[in-house]
Amino acid sequence: GIQVEQSPPDLILQEGANSTLRCNFSDSVNNLQWFHQNPWGQLINLFYIPSGTKQNGRLSATTVATERYSLLYISSSQTTDSGVYFCAVEDNQAGTALIFGKGTTLSVSS
Amino acid sequence: ETGVTQTPRHLVMGMTNKKSLKCEQHLGHNAMYWYKQSAKKPLELMFVYNFKEQTENNSVPSRFSPECPNSSHLFLHLHTLQPEDSALYLCASSPDQSTGELFFGEGSRLTVL
Repeated sequence: GIQVEQSPPDLILQEGANSTLRCNFSDSVNNLQWFHQNPWGQLINLFYIPSGTKQNGRLSATTVATERYSLLYISSSQTTDSGVYFCAVEDNQAGTALIFGKGTTLSVSS
Repeated sequence: ETGVTQTPRHLVMGMTNKKSLKCEQHLGHNAMYWYKQSAKKPLELMFVYNFKEQTENNSVPSRFSPECPNSSHLFLHLHTLQPEDSALYLCASSPDQSTGELFFGEGSRLTVL
């Protein structure tokens, strides 16, 4: 099955810093999503981005499907950005569900 | 509020108990999912239902029994669980299995004693 690798596994930032999280995947994908898991466990949708670039406030994401990677950019980080960021992909085989990477744990301190 | 509600949020049960987790979605979606998240592991897909029919069972032990009476409700019946089954169980929904974004509930944190 498709493999999803996220890097870095852990990231520690000072408030106000920028960061880039990376997601590599081993095969062509139909669907790619980025999620933020808050300290209470809920997964919040950030982006649905099988290709191209999207922006939402301080967050943006780019997926280069032909090169099998996606990037999540966080600018001017805040303490509320702390948590685990997951990349999840659905491969081109019809009818399969999202497969998750292991996540990047982000800690933002004031 | 994501439109996907899970109850209970926390559950402690003994190995001989029988309990159920419930998931309800108010998004008009046709596909529903159960995922398991254990400590230090990526989310693992357990079951998928599309238009009330089970379409994926990811080699889940029979002590976990899903039920999908309609497109809005999904249950996970639990019986004779093991301590290693302690985890966060996440329900999700999407417009259908082959398209669209996945939306998650807040999860049910299960502890098996």
